[in-house]
Amino acid sequence: NAGVMQNPRHLVRRRGQEARLRCSPMKGHSHVYWYRQLPEEGLKFMVYLQKENIIDESGMPKERFSAEFPKEGPSILRIQQVVRGDSAAYFCASSPSRNQPQHFGDGTRLSIL
Amino acid sequence: QQQVKQSPQSLIVQKGGISIINCAYENTAFDYFPWYQQFPGKGPALLIAIRPDVSEKKEGRFTISFNKSAKQFSLHIMDSQPGDSATYFCAASLDGQNFVFGPGTRLSVLP
Repeated sequence: NAGVMQNPRHLVRRRGQEARLRCSPMKGHSHVYWYRQLPEEGLKFMVYLQKENIIDESGMPKERFSAEFPKEGPSILRIQQVVRGDSAAYFCASSPSRNQPQHFGDGTRLSIL
Repeated sequence: QQQVKQSPQSLIVQKGGISIINCAYENTAFDYFPWYQQFPGKGPALLIAIRPDVSEKKEGRFTISFNKSAKQFSLHIMDSQPGDSATYFCAASLDGQNFVFGPGTRLSVLP
């Protein structure tokens, strides 16, 4: 049973480009969470999605960031017009329901040149 | 109100010793308190978790102690091993949402 799969593992973008991060939850999991982690810091919640719905996006920056979890396919975290401050590790987690433990992927490390 | 404080920032323990990491929260509505272990280049892995209706939970060498009145909880790692060297994060959530993580503790277990 495969775990949470994130790709790419590493992503390099120039300022102003778009970054797309993908997350395939564990089989049977319909709840997806995105977090951002800066070096030497804890994880900061960004957004919580259930199939086709955004449940909580209180941690998402108001501009340039968006997330989706379509009926078919992976969840996508999209960052438009990236800036240096977007450099971080982005982790996705999934769970079978809201009150169940979250299982994390190994993250996407985004570097902005 | 949403913050989770964690200490120490780093911890060095001899092999066989006890590692203790402490966390404190502010929001009394939090109802789920997990601990995660993270190795470099990897995602956090759930280690053990507790809900506020119990004061202690033990799984193997790992124990969570929970003090609801003090709004504190701690992770104890008994018989610490070099393989336990990692970063540990406590977290708190309300109704499975709004997970708030502590800043992490970097544990080094010396052989």
